[in-house]
Amino acid sequence: GAVVSQHPSRVICKSGTSVKIECRSLDFQATTMFWYRQFPKQSLMLMATSNEGSKATYEQGVEKDKFLINHASLTLSTLTVASAHPEDSSFYICSARATGSRGNEQFFGPGTRLTVL
Amino acid sequence: DQQVKQNSPSLSVQEGRISILNCDYTNSMFDYFLWYKKYPAEGPTFLISISSIKDKNEDGRFTVFLNKSAKHLSLHIVPSQPGDSAVYFCAASPLSGNTPLVFGKGTRLSVIA
Repeated sequence: GAVVSQHPSRVICKSGTSVKIECRSLDFQATTMFWYRQFPKQSLMLMATSNEGSKATYEQGVEKDKFLINHASLTLSTLTVASAHPEDSSFYICSARATGSRGNEQFFGPGTRLTVL
Repeated sequence: DQQVKQNSPSLSVQEGRISILNCDYTNSMFDYFLWYKKYPAEGPTFLISISSIKDKNEDGRFTVFLNKSAKHLSLHIVPSQPGDSAVYFCAASPLSGNTPLVFGKGTRLSVIA
């Protein structure tokens, strides 16, 4: 199957710091990438959908000025958590849909654990 | 409004027996369904999918059944193995278009040796 990587896998930072998470599709081109966050023992919550070369579409309740998404190429999307606070601590997961893929299958990255002190 | 529901948060099964995970959906536009498996602190991995033109899809020990009239699908794992212990997410979307998958809340499966 297709491989999606995320970097870093884990980050611990002080409150007020901005954190950038990268999501890469390694062996396919992804016109669309999705960003999710997961709280403990809860489902995946879609934050935003990003299409290459255009602005991301944010889900209701997700602050676009807080969670900055850039999808500059067909293999890379970045999520920047601006001025992170402890309540932003979570597990962030990206997924990618291959260009011309059959159906709506999404391939997920391994996730990034963000801890804000 | 939850469009994809997994009503059992957890399930325990003896090794070697069958595991049955259930999923219900409400959106009649959904016609593509997937199951993902997730270990703690890892991203979900794709397991098996089914489109609405079929009522069954089998891959090794994993079989997904779809009852479109009941808007219900289930994942059968047989025989269950301890390594199958994980959280299983059901997901759905329209087959066409570029909409994101809608996930259920997951069911934690524990396979007891």
